Amino acid sequence: GENVEQHPSTLSVQEGDSAVIKCTYSDSASNYFPWYKQELGKRPQLIIDIRSNVGEKKDQRIAVTLNKTAKHFSLHITETQPEDSAVYFCAASPWDGGYNKLIFGAGTRLAVHP
Amino acid sequence: DVKVTQSSRYLVKRTGEKVFLECVQDMDHENMFWYRQDPGLGLRLIYFSYDVKMKEKGDIPEGYSVSREKKERFSLILESASTNQTSMYLCASSLWGPGGTDTQYFGPGTRLTVL
Repeated sequence: GENVEQHPSTLSVQEGDSAVIKCTYSDSASNYFPWYKQELGKRPQLIIDIRSNVGEKKDQRIAVTLNKTAKHFSLHITETQPEDSAVYFCAASPWDGGYNKLIFGAGTRLAVHP
Repeated sequence: DVKVTQSSRYLVKRTGEKVFLECVQDMDHENMFWYRQDPGLGLRLIYFSYDVKMKEKGDIPEGYSVSREKKERFSLILESASTNQTSMYLCASSLWGPGGTDTQYFGPGTRLTVL
């Protein structure tokens, strides 16, 4: 089955710097790659996603890139702010008989220091 | 606005007890999911359901069962709770989207402690 690896597990940056989180997946049939943000004590929420027919997607300060050949995708946050501090999860959706399920990475704890 | 609720935020049970965790969504979503979240392990899928009375095993179904008698409600059952089931349990729901994928909306979580 699908396996998603996420790096780094922790990331510390200064406010205003950029942050990059990388994920690799194993199932070449996976076709949907969302990113979720979980603030302390809160539920995970979708922040951006990308489908396999697109190489890059941007939404204000966040962007996601996908390299299908290498089977990896990355989250880029520019001009980081303290409110970006959270745990970020990547996920991949394998084609599994048409079921809509996600396989998540282990998460990256991002700390943005003022 | 999608609302996913879970029956308890915190729950303390004893080893061997039967435990019910309930999840309700109000957006007529076809898909519902149960995950457990442990530090360093991310979100691991226990069971999911794509329709009433339908269920599929996720990656870690051992020791758990589920029930979906109504579209809006998905229950996770620990038949005989054990200490290694101490964890945060998250429920999620989603539409059956194009290409078989769509945003998953999460509940607030239930932190279960088994003594």
